[in-house]
Amino acid sequence: DTGVSQNPRHKITKRGQNVTFRCDPISEHNRLYWYRQTLGQGPEFLTYFQNEAQLEKSRLLSDRFSAERPKGSFSTLEIQRTEQGDSAMYLCASSLAGWQNNSPLHFGNGTRLTVT
Amino acid sequence: KNQVEQSPQSLIILEGKNCTLQCNYTVSPFSNLRWYKQDTGRGPVSLTIMTFSENTKSNGRYTATLDADTKQSSLHITASQLSDSASYICVVSAPWTGTASKLTFGTGTRLQVTL
Repeated sequence: DTGVSQNPRHKITKRGQNVTFRCDPISEHNRLYWYRQTLGQGPEFLTYFQNEAQLEKSRLLSDRFSAERPKGSFSTLEIQRTEQGDSAMYLCASSLAGWQNNSPLHFGNGTRLTVT
Repeated sequence: KNQVEQSPQSLIILEGKNCTLQCNYTVSPFSNLRWYKQDTGRGPVSLTIMTFSENTKSNGRYTATLDADTKQSSLHITASQLSDSASYICVVSAPWTGTASKLTFGTGTRLQVTL
């Protein structure tokens, strides 16, 4: 178990640029989640995959955001035309089953995005 | 609206002392309650998970309690260490219905342990 890996750890970009983040979940986990966290707040749900299927998207996920998990393994989160309000920590998590099985979410250490 | 409220917002204690963090929730129906520890600049790490039928669960020096009737939980830290300095997040889930958004996060309690 090497844990959930996220890259890059930090990203500084200028407003209007596109950015892409990558998440490698724990290998046997079929569920993958993206969250956004701002300072002093808890994580906010963005989107969720079961295998390669994107099953749910939050209303927070505007048209500028897109996520993929093409082979049911790693996932990417792309933000187009970044805005200063996109500055946050983007967290990826994975799990083996739904939480009715008391399966914990395993989080990565996040990608810290700063939009200048 | 499902909510999770944590108190205090922040706490400073001396090394070796005990402390208790509180979590009140309005999530209904309820499936389970989790406590996570989040070090600065890192992702949350699971400490405990309790279903509605469990009153207490321990993980080393961390002990979580749950009162499903009053919708309250607490996290007790015994003999605190400097490495306990972190944010502690309470997370409450509704029963799984195939959607992932029914996991409600609190805003956390920021704990600082000092010498």
